[in-house]
Amino acid sequence: KAGVTQTPRYLIKTRGQQVTLSCSPISGHRSVSWYQQTPGQGLQFLFEYFSETQRNKGNFPGRFSGRQFSNSRSEMNVSTLELGDSALYLCASSRGQGIMNTEAFFGQGTRLTVV
Amino acid sequence: AQKVTQAQTEISVVEKEDVTLDCVYETRDTTYYLFWYKQPPSGELVFLIRRNSFDEQNEISGRYSWNFQKSTRSFTFTITASQVVDSAVYFCALSGVNTGNQFYFGTGTSLTVIP
Repeated sequence: KAGVTQTPRYLIKTRGQQVTLSCSPISGHRSVSWYQQTPGQGLQFLFEYFSETQRNKGNFPGRFSGRQFSNSRSEMNVSTLELGDSALYLCASSRGQGIMNTEAFFGQGTRLTVV
Repeated sequence: AQKVTQAQTEISVVEKEDVTLDCVYETRDTTYYLFWYKQPPSGELVFLIRRNSFDEQNEISGRYSWNFQKSTRSFTFTITASQVVDSAVYFCALSGVNTGNQFYFGTGTSLTVIP
């Protein structure tokens, strides 16, 4: 079956702009989580969506937002981009939540560069 | 608080040598899950294993083996007879039954297998 698909793979944006990243989970998976990966901070949890509802949120400013659609596809948006937002953004797909979770499958990520 | 520590930042071994990656974790949850992921240069996090906190049985999968010791809060990963294709960054991660699908990742161990 198809894996987790993230688009686009690469993005270059200018400070102050906004960006939208997309994630299509594995068919049948209802949970989508987003992570930011940087050399300095490592992998940090952004938020999780399950059945179109945000279930958990990490410690990121309000400029970072997301949503999930009825088909489980998810988008995350970053407004007023800063240089420090340059990172690899990874999306994880899971079948369920918590004790129902078996494992999370990750996409290849979107590499965002802010100049 | 949830925390994962991977003290080894970089490891280099010669092909066919065995290598062990360390992972130590902290959690107040009584039920939790531990994971190992591999991140090749392409960026995707590849799932390797999931272990429940109530299952301390060690596991072997081909050249890979995992040792979970709850008493010392460690979850080590051993690659036997390493190959060049094993070169990647390896992440240990923790999720609690009360934190949904939020993963707490270690800082990763970069493994280089020299031919």
